[in-house]
Amino acid sequence: DAKTTQPNSMESNEEEPVHLPCNHSTISGTDYIHWYRQLPSQGPEYVIHGLTSNVNNRMASLAIAEDRKSSTLILHRATLRDAAVYYCILPNTGANSKLTFGKGITLSVRP
Amino acid sequence: DVKVTQSSRYLVKRTGEKVFLECVQDMDHENMFWYRQDPGLGLRLIYFSYDVKMKEKGDIPEGYSVSREKKERFSLILESASTNQTSMYLCASSFTGHNEKLFFGSGTQLSVL
Repeated sequence: DAKTTQPNSMESNEEEPVHLPCNHSTISGTDYIHWYRQLPSQGPEYVIHGLTSNVNNRMASLAIAEDRKSSTLILHRATLRDAAVYYCILPNTGANSKLTFGKGITLSVRP
Repeated sequence: DVKVTQSSRYLVKRTGEKVFLECVQDMDHENMFWYRQDPGLGLRLIYFSYDVKMKEKGDIPEGYSVSREKKERFSLILESASTNQTSMYLCASSFTGHNEKLFFGSGTQLSVL
């Protein structure tokens, strides 16, 4: 799997937008970009994914650079419940493919 | 709702015991994964399986084995538990494909004393 790199941690204030970056310079043309988040004491859950175009859903937005070597997860108004670890991965769930995660970004939200 | 169920939320075992961690999914997924999560180390892949009776080593398979006799069930086995296997264990599953979402269980916090 292609590798992703993320900063270890970020801080945000409640009700402000948060931009969580991810670099994936070795991404291939067919790799999708997925984001997951892990709330305290829970398993990770899917947030959003995209290939080339920016994507929006009820949880977040995903902005993908034109060269696809980086992406940004955008939380439009951070809440205390958004404090979590956020993982950016390039999943290849084809048969016999490893699916590895990094350490993710730990997001802290200040009231 | 789709579900990945791990048999225990918390487990305490003694050094040298044989430990079974069970994971069941109800989504007819081909792929199943076992990860462990330790502070500061993120999620690390132990083993995965892409079909019944098939298994592949992940990044840290030493000290573990797995079993997949039925499509919905993937078991992680610690043949002789050691204190350095104290960790949070997470199971996940997905369909086979290039862009499939992963679904995770809630995790099993294993303490080996």
